[in-house]
Amino acid sequence: QEKVQQSPESLIVPEGAMVSLNCSFSDSASQSIWWYQQHPGKGPKALISIFSNGNKKEGRLTVYLNRASLHVSLHIKDSQPSDSAVYLCAVSGNYAQGLTFGLGTRVSVFP
Amino acid sequence: DPKIIQKPKYLVAVTGSEKILICEQYLGHNAMYWYRQSAKKPLEFMFSYSYQKLMDNQTASSRFQPQSSKKNHLDLQITALKPDDSATYFCASSRDRGGNTEVFFGKGTRLTVV
Repeated sequence: QEKVQQSPESLIVPEGAMVSLNCSFSDSASQSIWWYQQHPGKGPKALISIFSNGNKKEGRLTVYLNRASLHVSLHIKDSQPSDSAVYLCAVSGNYAQGLTFGLGTRVSVFP
Repeated sequence: DPKIIQKPKYLVAVTGSEKILICEQYLGHNAMYWYRQSAKKPLEFMFSYSYQKLMDNQTASSRFQPQSSKKNHLDLQITALKPDDSATYFCASSRDRGGNTEVFFGKGTRLTVV
C-alpha cells in the first residue's frame, strides 16, 4: 500500500517569499505525482503534476521529482496571500488504489 | 460555475439511518470516483467507476454502495450510519482512469452522524 508523507505540517511566510513543500512516497513504480491546493470548505484543485525525474515549471510553480530517493518537492515563487491554503501531495499508482494523498501542508501567506 | 455538483452540501444523520449523497458532473468525463476526508486523516479513495461500471472498491464495508443511473451521475448510498462515518465525502471525475489524467473534485458533502 502506497504511503505518502508531507512536511512541514504548516508554514507561515510573508508575501513575496518562496514557499517550499516536501513529499515522500513509498512506491518507486508510482506513476504521476500531483500537487493539489485545497481552500477551506472547497474540494482539492490540481496545480501541477510530474511523471519523469527532474523538474517542471509552470508559472510561479516548480516541482522536482527524484524517484531514486522517492521524494518530490513543490516550490511557489513570489507567494501571495491568495496562496494561503492546504497543499496536498497525491501519488497515482495501481489503478485499484486511486490517488493516495498525504495529510497536507497548511500554508499561510501574510501581507 | 461548478462542473461537479454535489448535494447536499451539509447533512446531519442519526446513527443507524440511511442517506444518499448525490453527484453529477458536467465535464464529459468517463471516470467518476468517491473519496472521503475525515478529521486528521488523508483524503481516502473509496470507489471508481468507468462508463458506469464499478472498477475499483477500496471500501471494506458493504454499507457503502455507489449507484450510477447515468454516465455523469454517481451517487453514494450509506446504510446503518455510524458516528465514525462522519466526514466530508468528495465526488471526483477524470477523462479516463489513467494515472496520468487530472482528477477534478467537487466541493464535497459534509456528513455528521449523531
